[in-house]
Amino acid sequence: QVQLVESGGGVVQPGGSLRLSCVASGFTFSRSGMHWVRQAPGKGLDWVAFIRYDGTNKYYADSVKGRFTISRDNSKNAVYLQMNSLRADDTAVYYCARDRTMILDALDYWGQGALVTVSS
Amino acid sequence: EIVMTQSPATLSVSPGEGATLSCRASQSVNNNLAWYQQKPGQAPRLLIYRASTRATGIPARFSGSGSGTEFTLTISSLQSEDFAVYYCQQYNNWPPMYTFGQGTKLEIK
Repeated sequence: QVQLVESGGGVVQPGGSLRLSCVASGFTFSRSGMHWVRQAPGKGLDWVAFIRYDGTNKYYADSVKGRFTISRDNSKNAVYLQMNSLRADDTAVYYCARDRTMILDALDYWGQGALVTVSS
Repeated sequence: EIVMTQSPATLSVSPGEGATLSCRASQSVNNNLAWYQQKPGQAPRLLIYRASTRATGIPARFSGSGSGTEFTLTISSLQSEDFAVYYCQQYNNWPPMYTFGQGTKLEIK
């Protein structure tokens, strides 16, 4: 069965950096686009970034552009989110999710999430 | 940016009754609209994609309709496990800038 497992969350000071990882299993990872979506405590869902199945195209929400970088390693079935210059409003649970098709579509499988807390 | 607006914010319904949730886009998203269900402490679950196609394993009591700017999620005969928060999401624009609605909380009356 499809599984997505995030790791790397934690507490970081404002201005700091953190790298999230998401390891996938149960499907052909190298043929799937992948997303990161976040959810601040008690709030709604907020799309963060997308990377194409082969890593050649990446897209970001305006709120993270220039600070966050999405990447992938198809040999390890993993997608990453490098987060720099973190701010208090980046505090959230970060989910990785699979794109339903090879082109941009709905998100059909989600990980359990990794909590990132930005606080001094 | 395409803004997605859901209504109502909270809907109180008795088990066994039906529920209708609405989602409006600030500009046309064609049929590139998905619905998700989220329960407390859990990740979202895809219910509907392409506005009206049920995802794998989703019961037939869930149905989606609409196109362009107006969309509806209908749940017939609510079960106890259906009480949750529901989000719509568009994935139409280019370059991609997915946006979610603010959610509708479906609670037991």
